[in-house]
Amino acid sequence: KAGVTQTPRYLIKTRGQQVTLSCSPISGHRSVSWYQQTPGQGLQFLFEYFSETQRNKGNFPGRFSGRQFSNSRSEMNVSTLELGDSALYLCASSFGTDSNQPQHFGDGTRLSIL
Amino acid sequence: AQKITQTQPGMFVQEKEAVTLDCTYDTSDPSYGLFWYKQPSSGEMIFLIYQGSYDQQNATEGRYSLNFQKARKSANLVISASQLGDSAMYFCAMRESRETSGSRLTFGEGTQLTVNP
Repeated sequence: KAGVTQTPRYLIKTRGQQVTLSCSPISGHRSVSWYQQTPGQGLQFLFEYFSETQRNKGNFPGRFSGRQFSNSRSEMNVSTLELGDSALYLCASSFGTDSNQPQHFGDGTRLSIL
Repeated sequence: AQKITQTQPGMFVQEKEAVTLDCTYDTSDPSYGLFWYKQPSSGEMIFLIYQGSYDQQNATEGRYSLNFQKARKSANLVISASQLGDSAMYFCAMRESRETSGSRLTFGEGTQLTVNP
């Protein structure tokens, strides 16, 4: 069974640009969550999608947005990039949203802002 | 208040020995799940083991076991017979009910484990 696939693996952008990251969940998984990981803040929750609906959102500015398609694939978009957006962005999928459902992560997209 | 606390920033263990990584959590939700993840230097987050709040027995998965003490709100990870490939960052995480936190995972700060030959 294929795991969670994130593309691209690495990305370099400059301030003010925008970026779109992609995530394909494990087949059959309908919940997709996004996390940002930085050395200073650790792992922080961005948002969660289930059946094309955003179910939950973390404490991030409106520049961070996402969506989920009917095949459960998800994208997240960051507009007007800032230096502080440099991070590892991790996508995770799970079958459902119950507390007993482990989230399985992709390899992440490492975003660097120059 | 921190929901997940990992008090050991770094741990060292000799190959083939057992090691315990500490994790305490804070929640008033009666229904929650506790998870441990391993993150090698390459960045991917690997799911290791799960413990549910209503589980009566401690979870085990191969060389990994979870020492779950509900009254103390602790969920320590025990790795037996350490291998060099176990060197990585280990994260404890909690997933509460949707009503409490929308089913997001809350992570601790992690413990960097180094296995010495």
